[in-house]
Amino acid sequence: SQQGEEDPQALSIQEGENATMNCSYKTSINNLQWYRQNSGRGLVHLILIRSNEREKHSGRLRVTLDTSKKSSSLLITASRAADTASYFCATVSGASKLTFGTGTRLQVTL
Amino acid sequence: EAGVTQSPTHLIKTRGQQATLRCSPISGHTSVYWYQQALGLGLQFLLWYDEGEERNRGNFPPRFSGRQFPNYSSELNVNALELEDSALYLCASSLGDRRVAETQYFGPGTRLLVL
Repeated sequence: SQQGEEDPQALSIQEGENATMNCSYKTSINNLQWYRQNSGRGLVHLILIRSNEREKHSGRLRVTLDTSKKSSSLLITASRAADTASYFCATVSGASKLTFGTGTRLQVTL
Repeated sequence: EAGVTQSPTHLIKTRGQQATLRCSPISGHTSVYWYQQALGLGLQFLLWYDEGEERNRGNFPPRFSGRQFPNYSSELNVNALELEDSALYLCASSLGDRRVAETQYFGPGTRLLVL
């Protein structure tokens, strides 16, 4: 079963613009992670934010977490064509398994 | 350092056959996870192995099974294949903490097609 719901399901922007994706989840979590997947291949870990953190940065990525609203957002600034991929949030709430959201398909055009 | 490797990259089987998928974790990682990514169903957790033992199992029938070897590599076996088993099967590894999952590193996946 999916823990997270992401929106939008698909997002199309031009190179240089910012992309924001949102993730909502249902149960309490230990941490939340964001992954990228290119064309149905393996997932690449982007960033992990713990339940006691509110914001985290990594390069052009900014992740926020609001545990009171059970939601997280991923912001990619100054997007590039190479950022075109599907982005998934995944929550961890014990037992070490990742429960993935439904994903956002990001298309960055030149 | 080598990442997570999976074999084969593609596998074609017919209904009722058995499929065996293999995964080698990153050196030093003791936990291996299996996920299924089927069209329209998203990524679903299948199995978690740590130190050779099954630690957790997703909501899949018993014909999905696996094991972890002493070198921490892992096999996923799917018996009595059904058409809906067609999917990308992803393996991931991590350092292995029984309480809280840290970053999981994913392999490129095995694409299974059941005809």
